[in-house]
Amino acid sequence: GAVVSQHPSWVICKSGTSVKIECRSLDFQATTMFWYRQFPKQSLMLMATSNEGSKATYEQGVEKDKFLINHASLTLSTLTVTSAHPEDSSFYICSASLGEWDNQPQHFGDGTRLSIL
Amino acid sequence: GQNIDQPTEMTATEGAIVQINCTYQTSGFNGLFWYQQHAGEAPTFLSYNVLDGLEEKGRFSSFLSRSKGYSYLLLKELQMKDSASYLCAPVDSNYQLIWGAGTKLIIKP
Repeated sequence: GAVVSQHPSWVICKSGTSVKIECRSLDFQATTMFWYRQFPKQSLMLMATSNEGSKATYEQGVEKDKFLINHASLTLSTLTVTSAHPEDSSFYICSASLGEWDNQPQHFGDGTRLSIL
Repeated sequence: GQNIDQPTEMTATEGAIVQINCTYQTSGFNGLFWYQQHAGEAPTFLSYNVLDGLEEKGRFSSFLSRSKGYSYLLLKELQMKDSASYLCAPVDSNYQLIWGAGTKLIIKP
């Protein structure tokens, strides 16, 4: 149980393109979904926390107009990187949890490797 | 501030036992997670401790001492597939996971 599907796995695109990444909880309803970014050999960096039906909470330094998050249902959250540039190239990972204010583990998707040319 | 201290890298032999230590300082504490992350992949959940003591789960065990701000992950009967990074992630008072860079574990035959 607790499977999280993330799509696509790889994206290579030109600078200025907008890229949408989907995160789905397949066998449970995720009250809360998290979006992370990870650069090589560095720790996971939380970008934002999203709760179904409400606006995402962004971490300090993360541009909400550049990284659009939509959590339209209890099983789907999307991250759109708008007008992506080479510095946005990174490994983006989503995770889902049954709750935000409890100690349920976060279950991670397989990640999306984004390369902007 | 919030801080996690783990060794950057460890090496062990197949079939042996290894202990990965983690010390942490957080604003409040609501438990601690251990995750495994293979290179180029997303993390996978290993264990969660909120009370002091040892939790055993197959070849992996996790220990917590809240008063010392200390945890360790114990891996027994090491296999080559255990080569990965191991992330210690304490949970702060806002129920946010605090992530460090993890410990890269290299298993040699």
